[in-house]
Amino acid sequence: GAGVSQSPSNKVTEKGKDVELRCDPISGHTALYWYRQSLGQGLEFLIYFQGNSAPDKSGLPSDRFSAERTGGSVSTLTIQRTQQEDSAVYLCASSNPGDKAFFGQGTRLTVV
Amino acid sequence: GNSVTQMEGPVTLSEEAFLTINCTYTATGYPSLFWYVQYPGEGLQLLLKATKADDKGSNKGFEATYRKETTSFHLEKGSVQVSDSAVYFCALSPTGTASKLTFGTGTRLQVTL
Repeated sequence: GAGVSQSPSNKVTEKGKDVELRCDPISGHTALYWYRQSLGQGLEFLIYFQGNSAPDKSGLPSDRFSAERTGGSVSTLTIQRTQQEDSAVYLCASSNPGDKAFFGQGTRLTVV
Repeated sequence: GNSVTQMEGPVTLSEEAFLTINCTYTATGYPSLFWYVQYPGEGLQLLLKATKADDKGSNKGFEATYRKETTSFHLEKGSVQVSDSAVYFCALSPTGTASKLTFGTGTRLQVTL
């Protein structure tokens, strides 16, 4: 595609529910990253994929967070049993190794 | 661990004013340094980068010089425009690639006529 696409753009969910956030990277990009931006915070690294494997998932804040990538393309970030502190903008980026990262516009998650 | 500290905003300037947004970092080794920009309603975009000490990154009239002795990468522009209004993020990468960027908290710039 022309750019990194994320869906939904906004998601409001009740505390305790599970949510899935989707990222469609730029076609052909082998690397994919998830970041999170909480209110007043910088962008926090969550997880990095190279192809379908995740060599670095050190940023996932708890075991309620998981992510997968299939076909070397689409990635899904899943948050189980959401809490209010999960409210943030979740950003996805893709790149080819050694090249700059292209970011999507993010999914704004609000847990009420 | 790695960290990036940038000046808090918002920064409000009149058009044609000089801009400086301070950024300092803490990292082991020789990180690459980046400035990203987020215009209203758009995704993050790479503005400029520098991969080694004394390198100067530049783009769209913006400049930043990698200063290892002061661990800084301050963003400057000689004459800002209304269209420069955005949020600016300083970031570093330990590997020289764009992977696992560590970001600052962002500085909102508002330029008025």
